[in-house]
Amino acid sequence: AQSVTQLDSQVPVFEEAPVELRCNYSSSVSVYLFWYVQYPNQGLQLLLKYLSGSTLVKSINGFEAEFNKSQTSFHLRKPSVHISDTAEYFCAAISSGSARQLTFGSGTQLTVLP
Amino acid sequence: EAGVAQSPRYKIIEKRQSVAFWCNPISGHATLYWYQQILGQGPKLLIQFQNNGVVDDSQLPKDRFSAERLKGVDSTLKIQPAKLEDSAVYLCASSLLVTSGAPDTQYFGPGTRLTVL
Repeated sequence: AQSVTQLDSQVPVFEEAPVELRCNYSSSVSVYLFWYVQYPNQGLQLLLKYLSGSTLVKSINGFEAEFNKSQTSFHLRKPSVHISDTAEYFCAAISSGSARQLTFGSGTQLTVLP
Repeated sequence: EAGVAQSPRYKIIEKRQSVAFWCNPISGHATLYWYQQILGQGPKLLIQFQNNGVVDDSQLPKDRFSAERLKGVDSTLKIQPAKLEDSAVYLCASSLLVTSGAPDTQYFGPGTRLTVL
């Protein structure tokens, strides 16, 4: 069965510093990968996704993630964070096989400190 | 474009009571999902509808949970009777028709926070 692991439950970082949120998945078949963000008292919003093609995908607000098949990873990075990036970030995956459920990791709380 | 609507936003009940949640998906989205998000965990799929038919309810505790999408648009999720461990945020999401190709983006509503005392 598909599983997604987010290695860090909380990541505090100072404003304008770089950040990396780690995500690993397990799948024996091809996989589609997603990062969702959840701001306080709001629903999940899609940040970026990897479906096929270029392994480096980017969001409109400066985040990027790289699909690494050999390491089964899809880490999220931003070179310089803002206070407004404070939120919970979820990595998720869908296998291309018959079981096409969106499986989420347990989330990483990113807190940007002034 | 209006997003996924859910109500109520918050609900507090006592154990053994019943509760119902409502979801209105994005117009034109054939696929609707209900997720349960327990504090400190990622969302877990409970049930997936395609139009008014159930695609996947393998993780729905059918002895107490039920869901319907009678006209292929709105959906309700019911818990009867509720247990303490049902305290969670219940998220509704929708997407375009699911096919065998690359998945369409799921759009999430704000959720209903349920507290069972």
